[in-house]
Amino acid sequence: NAGVTQTPKFRVLKTGQSMTLLCAQDMNHEYMYWYRQDPGMGLRLIHYSVGEGTTAKGEVPDGYNVSRLKKQNFLLGLESAAPSQTSVYFCASSYNWESTDTQYFGPGTRLTVL
Amino acid sequence: AQKVTQAQTEISVVEKEDVTLDCVYETRDTTYYLFWYKQPPSGELVFLIRRNSFDEQNEISGRYSWNFQKSTSSFNFTITASQVVDSAVYFCALSEAGNDYKLSFGAGTTVTVRA
Repeated sequence: NAGVTQTPKFRVLKTGQSMTLLCAQDMNHEYMYWYRQDPGMGLRLIHYSVGEGTTAKGEVPDGYNVSRLKKQNFLLGLESAAPSQTSVYFCASSYNWESTDTQYFGPGTRLTVL
Repeated sequence: AQKVTQAQTEISVVEKEDVTLDCVYETRDTTYYLFWYKQPPSGELVFLIRRNSFDEQNEISGRYSWNFQKSTSSFNFTITASQVVDSAVYFCALSEAGNDYKLSFGAGTTVTVRA
């Protein structure tokens, strides 16, 4: 049971490049989330998914797209990276929402956009 | 508006001292949940505790204790007899029924425990 994994762990992009971050969970969780963490601001929700085939916007969705084609995977895409997207990205998952089951976090992806 | 405020940016203590982290939240919901997460230098986020709005019973778990007071909208966290391994960033978070239970995080408090 690996929990929540994220690929890659580190990445450096040039402005305008695109990339996809992969989040995978093996806990059969329905809900998955993408956050970004910036210094002094805590974690902010980018997008989330309440089940396979669904996605929804969080607090800071601009510049990102997501897809949840399989229940265990949640992809975060940057179509045209900008320096403002330099951040640490965390994926999380939970069994369901209504009971506010604990969200389990992945190890994070450190992204630098030059 | 910030829903979760952690007024302490950094706290530095000597080993064995007690550390109390403050968390003040803002919500209009009657149903909500409060969390504390720990982020050690390695970077991962570790769940510590969850409390719902209907359970104000305070709890002690080993060296950790929590003080939930709805009257002051506070959910404070105390580490007793701190150890170097407690050095981390601690986040308080809120999820509200009226916000689809999405987590709102505070900015975090960096705790440094010196030997």
